[in-house]
Amino acid sequence: DAKTTQPNSMESNEEEPVHLPCNHSTISGTDYIHWYRQLPSQGPEYVIHGLTSNVNNRMASLAIAEDRKSSTLILHRATLRDAAVYYCILAGSARQLTFGSGTQLTVLP
Amino acid sequence: GAGVSQSPSNKVTEKGKDVELRCDPISGHTALYWYRQSLGQGLEFLIYFQGNSAPDKSGLPSDRFSAERTGGSVSTLTIQRTQQEDSAVYLCASSLSGGWEKLFFGSGTQLSVL
Repeated sequence: DAKTTQPNSMESNEEEPVHLPCNHSTISGTDYIHWYRQLPSQGPEYVIHGLTSNVNNRMASLAIAEDRKSSTLILHRATLRDAAVYYCILAGSARQLTFGSGTQLTVLP
Repeated sequence: GAGVSQSPSNKVTEKGKDVELRCDPISGHTALYWYRQSLGQGLEFLIYFQGNSAPDKSGLPSDRFSAERTGGSVSTLTIQRTQQEDSAVYLCASSLSGGWEKLFFGSGTQLSVL
């Protein structure tokens, strides 16, 4: 499966939008882009996924670059409960999702 | 149940002992996955089940690790002759059909090998 690159950590102020970037320059045409997050002492939680078009759900938005070599997870108004490790994952030919090291998001009050 | 259930939530064992970790997936989910997460690390894939069969065992780290799934539901991960490096959180996830729909994770079993 193609690899993803994310910043190790990011900070945001509470109530402000957060843009979490992910680079995946070797993505193939059939790879879906998935985002999960992991709160402390919990298993990962699905956030959103997409293939080519931008996606919105109640948790977040996913903006996918036109060439699909990068994507951005957007949290519209960060809350303290959004502090977590965010994983950007490509789902390709393998049946399992391969988790990288993710981005540790800190939300400041 | 409402979500993926794992038991026990914590397990402390002595080096050399065998342990069994249990996962009860969401009812009706045919795909089941085991991952482990060492302290401060990302998730490491172990094994994937589709129904009762395991088409992908590529992540099992050694022959001391085995897993089974019966009745297309509950799965057991067994670690024989545990070693200190086996200490980690073992996470189970399930999905409806094993395609690219979302995975639902349990809260994990924290295994400590003394």
